[in-house]
Amino acid sequence: QQKVQQSPESLSVPEGGMASLNCTSSDRNFQYFWWYRQHSGEGPKALMSIFSDGDKKEGRFTAHLNKASLHVSLHIRDSQPSDSALYFCAAITGGYKVVFGSGTRLLVSP
Amino acid sequence: DAAVTQKPRYLIKMKGQEAEMKCIPEKGHTAVFWYQQKQSKELKFLIYFQNQQPLDQIDMVKERFSAVCPSSSLCSLGIRTCEAEDSALYLCSSSQGEEVFFGKGTRLTVV
Repeated sequence: QQKVQQSPESLSVPEGGMASLNCTSSDRNFQYFWWYRQHSGEGPKALMSIFSDGDKKEGRFTAHLNKASLHVSLHIRDSQPSDSALYFCAAITGGYKVVFGSGTRLLVSP
Repeated sequence: DAAVTQKPRYLIKMKGQEAEMKCIPEKGHTAVFWYQQKQSKELKFLIYFQNQQPLDQIDMVKERFSAVCPSSSLCSLGIRTCEAEDSALYLCSSSQGEEVFFGKGTRLTVV
């Protein structure tokens, strides 16, 4: 069964610090990767996608993809208390199958 | 902003009652997914539709749920007989290619 392993399960960083989240997939059919953020009481919202090897930067968020190792990561620099949320990675095959990681709960303390 | 609309936002049912929730996918998206989320934890996959046809679902859905997409612009998820363990946030997402968007969810409370 296709799986996406996400780590860590929870993460605490001080305000202004760097938060790093990781996902490793088990299937080379995954072609697209997304990061989602879910605040309490809301549905997940797409943060950013990455399809190619290397880094993709959007503001304070940087996603990194290494297709050879099937590893995708999200780095949040200058973390803010408003970044506190549940983060999911998602892997998508070319045939539209979507598999989500189990989530990382990020807490940014002032 | 992309929009997947879910209704109602909140639903309260008694044990044994039937529940129904609806999802309007993002226009042009051909894949629709339903997930169950308890206590803001991981997303539990329930069922997946492609072009309105169910292609994958877990056993729980086969046994106690009813899910249909009668049109490309409307899907529904029903629970035939609600149980306390069904209390959760039910999330609908739609996708096309590399795009995947979520609705805000229907929070079901079974009392």
